[in-house]
Amino acid sequence: GEDVEQSLFLSVREGDSSVINCTYTDSSSTYLYWYKQEPGAGLQLLTYIFSNMDMKQDQRLTVLLNKKDKHLSLRIADTQTGDSAIYFCAESSGGSYIPTFGRGTSLIVHP
Amino acid sequence: DADVTQTPRNRITKTGKRIMLECSQTKGHDRMYWYRQDPGLGLRLIYYSFDVKDINKGEISDGYSVSRQAQAKFSLSLESAIPNQTALYFCATSDLERQGGYTFGSGTRLTVV
Repeated sequence: GEDVEQSLFLSVREGDSSVINCTYTDSSSTYLYWYKQEPGAGLQLLTYIFSNMDMKQDQRLTVLLNKKDKHLSLRIADTQTGDSAIYFCAESSGGSYIPTFGRGTSLIVHP
Repeated sequence: DADVTQTPRNRITKTGKRIMLECSQTKGHDRMYWYRQDPGLGLRLIYYSFDVKDINKGEISDGYSVSRQAQAKFSLSLESAIPNQTALYFCATSDLERQGGYTFGSGTRLTVV
């Protein structure tokens, strides 16, 4: 079945850029998503990208998609302590459009 | 009020007990889902419903059942709780336009002792 892989942890200093990477196996993926989960809360949709796009930018967030390599990344510029959270990558494809989630990357931001 | 409300927020129950987790939404979405989150395992789909008359099993439905009482309500039951069902449970909703972009509830932390 489909698989979505992410590294489990990332540690950065406040003010640096963070890059969270994700790989997926389903070549028919149509939509790719990034969700953020803060402690004690549910997941919040941060951004999503259609598979026919290479890049999407939204304020401090930049999403890059390499369809050939099935690689998705989320770059957070000027990372703040409030960005500390778990970030989930997810992909969905035609039909039911039910996303497959990665295991999540815990981003730790040090002052 | 939250768009997706889950009750209770926390629950401790004994092995063998029946327990129901409830979810209600004000988004007007047709699609509703139940997920379970375990540390290091991410989210796993338990059941999903595309409308009131449509219920489907997810990847880990054994030991669980659901009821879609109305468009806005979707409940998850554990018929006879066991300790490995200790987890964080999330309800989510989506509409077709967002193509899988979910709105999540805040979760129910369930402990089975």
